[in-house]
Amino acid sequence: KNEVEQSPQNLTAQEGEFITINCSYSVGISALHWLQQHPGGGIVSLFMLSSGKKKHGRLIATINIQEKHSSLHITASHPRDSAVYICAVGGTSYGKLTFGQGTILTVHP
Amino acid sequence: SQTIHQWPATLVQPVGSPLSLECTVEGTSNPNLYWYRQAAGRGLQLLFYSIGIDQISSEVPQNLSASRPQDRQFILSSKKLLLSDSGFYLCAWSVTGQEAFFGQGTRLTVV
Repeated sequence: KNEVEQSPQNLTAQEGEFITINCSYSVGISALHWLQQHPGGGIVSLFMLSSGKKKHGRLIATINIQEKHSSLHITASHPRDSAVYICAVGGTSYGKLTFGQGTILTVHP
Repeated sequence: SQTIHQWPATLVQPVGSPLSLECTVEGTSNPNLYWYRQAAGRGLQLLFYSIGIDQISSEVPQNLSASRPQDRQFILSSKKLLLSDSGFYLCAWSVTGQEAFFGQGTRLTVV
C-alpha cells in the first residue's frame, strides 16, 4: 500500500464544474503540498498546508490532520486547469517528500 | 528572492552515454537539497538528498550518483545511461523541512 493515495486517478469535467481531488496519507507529516504539472512542463507549487484551509483564486485546499486527508477543490473549472495534480507529504526526516501518483484532470470546453 | 535553477529542460541521450544534470539554488544558505525522479506512469520518487556539502544520502539503488560540491549546487550524474533511466527528474530544496521549492524539471529520454 502506498503511503500517499490520490483519488481519482483520472478526472474529466466540463468547463464550469466544481472539481475535487482527494489525498489520503498513512504517515505522520509536517506539511502537505499540492502541486500542478502541465504536460511537458515543470512542477508548480500550489499550496503548502499544515492545518486548516487555504485559498488562492479558484483553488481551495483543505487538510484534516486527524483523518490524514486533504482535498484540492477547483471552482468554475476551465480548460486551462487541465494538468496533473500531485499531492506530496513532508515527513519529519530532513524534509523528504513522499508523492502521490497524481490525478490527471481534463476540463473540456 | 528564493529561486532554483535546473537545466536542461529536456535531454535526449543514447544508451551508454554519461549524464550530468545541474541544480543551483539562490536566496538561501545551507538548504536541504533533493533529486526526485518520475518514471513513466509512476509518481515522483526520492533518489538522493543532501543536508550539506559532500553529504549525500541515496534512497534507492540505481545507476545514478549525486554530488554537492558547493552549498547551493546539486548535481545528478551517471557514467553510462540505461534505457530505464528515462524519466522526469526534479530538483527541490527546503530549509525548514516544511516548505519546499521545486525546479522546472528535466525530461530525460534515453534512446
